[in-house]
Amino acid sequence: EAQVTQNPRYLITVTGKKLTVTCSQNMNHEYMSWYRQDPGLGLRQIYYSMNVEATDKGDVPEGYKVSRKEKRNFPLILESPSPNQTSLYFCASRLAGVYNEQFFGPGTRLTVL
Amino acid sequence: AQKVTQAQTEISVVEKEDVTLDCVYETRDTTYYLFWYKQPPSGELVFLIRRNSFDEQNEISGRYSWNFQKSTSSFNFTITASQVVDSAVYFCALSDRNFNKFYFGSGTKLNVKP
Repeated sequence: EAQVTQNPRYLITVTGKKLTVTCSQNMNHEYMSWYRQDPGLGLRQIYYSMNVEATDKGDVPEGYKVSRKEKRNFPLILESPSPNQTSLYFCASRLAGVYNEQFFGPGTRLTVL
Repeated sequence: AQKVTQAQTEISVVEKEDVTLDCVYETRDTTYYLFWYKQPPSGELVFLIRRNSFDEQNEISGRYSWNFQKSTSSFNFTITASQVVDSAVYFCALSDRNFNKFYFGSGTKLNVKP
């Protein structure tokens, strides 16, 4: 089944404890992206990647890191999480080029205490 | 700067009523794309439609229709004869010409009551 998977789906952590949220897709998509969803703000793009070793900042990259060493994986790294990073995170992927629909993962709900 | 505004935070209607969700965007690009996504209570994001900046034709898909007007920078979404299953949060979004950077509105929560 074609899908975007995220792990973990739920995570409660404490301030300053490094964490990684994984995102994997099995559709051989070139493009991948991370978003956060907050009440009243909608989704905001954190980082995106056009292909392996090609990443760029979205609208709200501060406090996050990403890497794209393999085509199928695009992990989101929070080196020192803070409570304002408590949010619902979505990963998405699509084929390169325009007119290709973005497929979203199921979301990861992160709480930073 | 790019921006998408969905001024309606929440709308409640009774089943079979028509409802329009408003979306206003700002961009300096001449080539851009507009989208609508649905997020049902289960939480996943469902793609509904994409429209490019050169195509102002309205589109109808079943009970759904979209009205794109460049003159007012609006891309409104109408559900005709709403159903309870239409209850969801709907997001309007804008992307750059390369489909790389995306900007979402804050969403409109639609409650359709039986």
